[in-house]
Amino acid sequence: DAGITQSPRHKVTETGTPVTLRCHQTENHRYMYWYRQDPGHGLRLIHYSYGVKDTDKGEVSDGYSVSRSKTEDFLLTLESATSSQTSVYFCAISGSRGYTFGSGTRLTVV
Amino acid sequence: GENVEQHPSTLSVQEGDSAVIKCTYSDSASNYFPWYKQELGKGPQLIIDIRSNVGEKKDQRIAVTLNKTAKHFSLHITETQPEDSAVYFCAASKPDTGRRALTFGSGTRLQVQP
Repeated sequence: DAGITQSPRHKVTETGTPVTLRCHQTENHRYMYWYRQDPGHGLRLIHYSYGVKDTDKGEVSDGYSVSRSKTEDFLLTLESATSSQTSVYFCAISGSRGYTFGSGTRLTVV
Repeated sequence: GENVEQHPSTLSVQEGDSAVIKCTYSDSASNYFPWYKQELGKGPQLIIDIRSNVGEKKDQRIAVTLNKTAKHFSLHITETQPEDSAVYFCAASKPDTGRRALTFGSGTRLQVQP
């Protein structure tokens, strides 16, 4: 999607390993979000950021941490991946036209 | 916190028919209600939204209605086409409290049969 990219697009990792997902925006938006998408649950908010070094928890933040050292980058880290964190992760930015989502990262924890 | 329920979870219609997806929300303070369309392998995309100061909004074949008293809102797609097949999500948010986060429904998979 224009202005927001996620990397990697796919990742398979082992239980107990750390994993970092990256979200990069070129829109200079203040607000950025990480959601996870699971069947039957829609999209659930993990963490969000309202500025550089300003972050806060969402509804499903356990086991996740985030960092935002630059306006354009918002990182999501799974400190020790578990099978319950197998999901599709979406980053989003909030602008005048609502949310714009990235294309997602499909993470599989084996 | 806010809770958004969405029905049905799957919907199959014939091409040319209308499709209606319904959502209810729990927090009467919510005032912004967007709808997103998600195609396979892609992120959700905003297709239409409505704020609580209006009851209906249209954009070509798509319309959204809002009933604040009953706390529900609906997406209406007329003259459906095969390219309308996708997963649709409703969402709600409250006035800017510094978070501006959306609470999403669980999604509706719409299948338009040619």
